[in-house]
Formats: sequence, structure tokens, C-alpha cells
Amino acid sequence: EDQVTQSPEALRLQEGESSSLNCSYTVSGLRGLFWYRQDPGKGPEFLFTLYSAGEEKEKERLKATLTKKESFLHITAPKPEDSATYLCAVQPGGTYKYIFGTGTRLKVLA
Amino acid sequence: NAGVTQTPKFRVLKTGQSMTLLCAQDMNHEYMYWYRQDPGMGLRLIHYSVGEGTTAKGEVPDGYNVSRLKKQNFLLGLESAAPSQTSVYFCASRDRGQEEETQYFGPGTRLLVL
Repeated sequence: EDQVTQSPEALRLQEGESSSLNCSYTVSGLRGLFWYRQDPGKGPEFLFTLYSAGEEKEKERLKATLTKKESFLHITAPKPEDSATYLCAVQPGGTYKYIFGTGTRLKVLA
Repeated sequence: NAGVTQTPKFRVLKTGQSMTLLCAQDMNHEYMYWYRQDPGMGLRLIHYSVGEGTTAKGEVPDGYNVSRLKKQNFLLGLESAAPSQTSVYFCASRDRGQEEETQYFGPGTRLLVL
């Protein structure tokens, strides 16, 4: 069964304290892995797409990496405005569907 | 471009009432999706469409119906609302030929069924 698990459920960081969020997945033929940011009361906002193991993408303080079993979202020197829920999703091969994890709630304290 | 818009933003229903949620996109996207988001459950796919006039079931389709009569609109219907359908509903769209196959989400509709 296709499945996505995110950890930790919640994370509190001090401003400037770097850390990583984990997304582990089991899927029949990965077509793509997606990271989204979701602010309270809003829809998810796209961050990255990764397609193959070894791939990395960066955007400002965020860097996403992918292996055959998991993806990491590294946050370097976070700021309070990085506080949000970060969602991971996978698209199994041969489908139009997406499977989402339950997210990691990140709080960055000033 | 407005992107993906959803109507209404918030609605309260009584058990057994019906309603339709409207999703509209102005990006000429082929694929559209309806999700529900519940605490601790993540986003779950209800129905989706890969083109005008086509629909397919997702992970949790029971109690919902959809229609895609126009390419830019995707309607989600609740024929007889139940308290278990209290949730936040998100619509998303993506382009068929899009390089990154990214979904773009609307702002959500909060539904409370009493």
C-alpha cells in the first residue's frame, strides 16, 4: 500500500537553529515527491518537486533532498516567518493521484 | 491571474441538507482535484478529473459527487450532508504537460455540518 509518513509531528526551533524534517514513503514506482508549505487558514503552497534519488533543490533557507526511501527538508538558520506546516506528497507511477503525509508543524521562535 | 478560487469560503449545514462547492481555475489546467483536510489525517483525495467531462474516484469518494462540465470549473456536491463531512475542502489543479507536475491549491472551503 502506498504510504507517506512525516516526522516529527511538531518542531520548535530558536531563530537560527538549523534542523531537518523527514518524509519517508512507500510507493509503487515513484513519479515525483512534492513539498508544500501551508499557513493557518490557507491552501498549501508549492515548494519543491523531486523526481529521482540523489536529487537536491534549494530555495532561500530551504533545501530538499531525496533518497529511495525518504526525503528531507533542511531548514538553515530559520526565521520566525518560516513557521508553518510543511507537507510532503508522492505521486505513484502510472497514476494521476497524490498521497499526502500528515505534515510537520514548525514553530520558529524569535 | 486569480489562480484557483473556491466558493463559498465557509458554510454551515444541517444534517441531510445538500450543497455544491465550486472550484474555478483560470490557468487552463487539464487536471483538477478535490481534497478534504482533517486534523491528524492530512489531505485525502475525494475525486479528481483529468479533463472536461471526465471524473474519477479518489481515496474517500463516498457521500460526494462531482462534475466537470467546463474545463475551468470542478464542482463538488454533497447530496445529504452528514456530521462526518465537517472538514476543510481544498481544490487543486495542474497542467497536463507541466514540467514539474505541480498542483496549485485554492484557499479552501470550511464546512460545518450540524
